[in-house]
Amino acid sequence: GQQLNQSPQSMFIQEGEDVSMNCTSSSIFNTWLWYKQDPGEGPVLLIALYKAGELTSNGRLTAQFGITRKDSFLNISASIPSDVGIYFCAGPVTSGTYKYIFGTGTRLKVLA
Amino acid sequence: DSGVTQTPKHLITATGQRVTLRCSPRSGDLSVYWYQQSLDQGLQFLIQYYNGEERAKGNILERFSAQQFPDLHSELNLSSLELGDSALYFCASSEGGSGNTIYFGEGSWLTVV
Repeated sequence: GQQLNQSPQSMFIQEGEDVSMNCTSSSIFNTWLWYKQDPGEGPVLLIALYKAGELTSNGRLTAQFGITRKDSFLNISASIPSDVGIYFCAGPVTSGTYKYIFGTGTRLKVLA
Repeated sequence: DSGVTQTPKHLITATGQRVTLRCSPRSGDLSVYWYQQSLDQGLQFLIQYYNGEERAKGNILERFSAQQFPDLHSELNLSSLELGDSALYFCASSEGGSGNTIYFGEGSWLTVV
């Protein structure tokens, strides 16, 4: 079945550093969603991408919809301690069903 | 606040029991999705309803069932509970059936003892 692979699985960075993570799919997606989840909380939508090549920012976060439509990237600039959490990518399966599948997540830890 | 409301927030029950988790979608959203997240695991899609009808099914066990009511709220029923069913259960909603952004509730934490 379709899978979303995220990398890296986890990362430790120093406060102030930039962060990059990516998500790849075995098939084409028409929408990419990026979420952040804090422990014990529900995922919170960060950025939604709807068009191949689209580059969208939300504050210090920037996400891109890959032109092959099989990948997406999320960058966080000048990280701060509250960026700690798990970042998930997600996309809708379009093979006749409408479920959204999620990547395995990138666990981010920021060292002050 | 995403606008998606889930109850209860926490639930502890014994093996073999049955529980019902409730979800109210965002105002105007017709689709409701249920996801399961076990400890340190990703989000596993269980089932989706759109305007009262089942739309898509994922890795949902036969012991689990769900429905969406005319007022668009949804319930996830978990029966014959096992220890391994302990997890966070999330409800999400979207305006349409696909291609839309989905918004998550805060989850219902189920502990089976």
